Amino acid sequence: GDSVTQMEGPVTLSEEAFLTINCTYTATGYPSLFWYVQYPGEGLQLLLKATKADDKGSNKGFEATYRKETTSFHLEKGSVQVSDSAVYFCALNQAGTALIFGKGTTLSVSS
Amino acid sequence: DGGITQSPKYLFRKEGQNVTLSCEQNLNHDAMYWYRQDPGQGLRLIYYSQIVNDFQKGDIAEGYSVSREKKESFPLTVTSAQKNPTAFYLCASSFPSGRADTQYFGPGTRLTVL
Repeated sequence: GDSVTQMEGPVTLSEEAFLTINCTYTATGYPSLFWYVQYPGEGLQLLLKATKADDKGSNKGFEATYRKETTSFHLEKGSVQVSDSAVYFCALNQAGTALIFGKGTTLSVSS
Repeated sequence: DGGITQSPKYLFRKEGQNVTLSCEQNLNHDAMYWYRQDPGQGLRLIYYSQIVNDFQKGDIAEGYSVSREKKESFPLTVTSAQKNPTAFYLCASSFPSGRADTQYFGPGTRLTVL
């Protein structure tokens, strides 16, 4: 079945460092891909999405490009802030029903 | 403000009791979902509903039940048949738009079995 694999955390960075969180997927068709962020004790917020190959989603300085040839959707940010500390989830939607999530990657940014 | 509300934020249950988690949305979304989140496990789908009076089981429906009598409401009951119910429960909603569907999440309910 369809699945999402994320790099395991925690990822620990200093403020202004470059961030990459890897995400790869397995799907039989052409899914849409998403990154969600979860701050402590809260629900998930959509960070960005891409619906077809080579699309780039971007929001709040974060970017991810839908790479069909490598089945990847890696999340990047050029300069992280302490306020970016959270759990990041990669997800796909294949059938137009429920999302399939990765296990999440915890990011901790120190000043 | 439009959004999704879940109540209560924290819920404690004794073993053998049924409890109901509330989820309400005023986004006029047709589809609603319940997910369970466990540490290090990501989110897993419990139930979903795409229209009123209809719902489907997700990957881990055993020990749970739902109803969808109104468009804006999708309550989840955790029954005594659920062997390990302690978890964080998240409700979501969306306009069904195929695979590009974007789901919006509520703040969650943390259930603890004593």
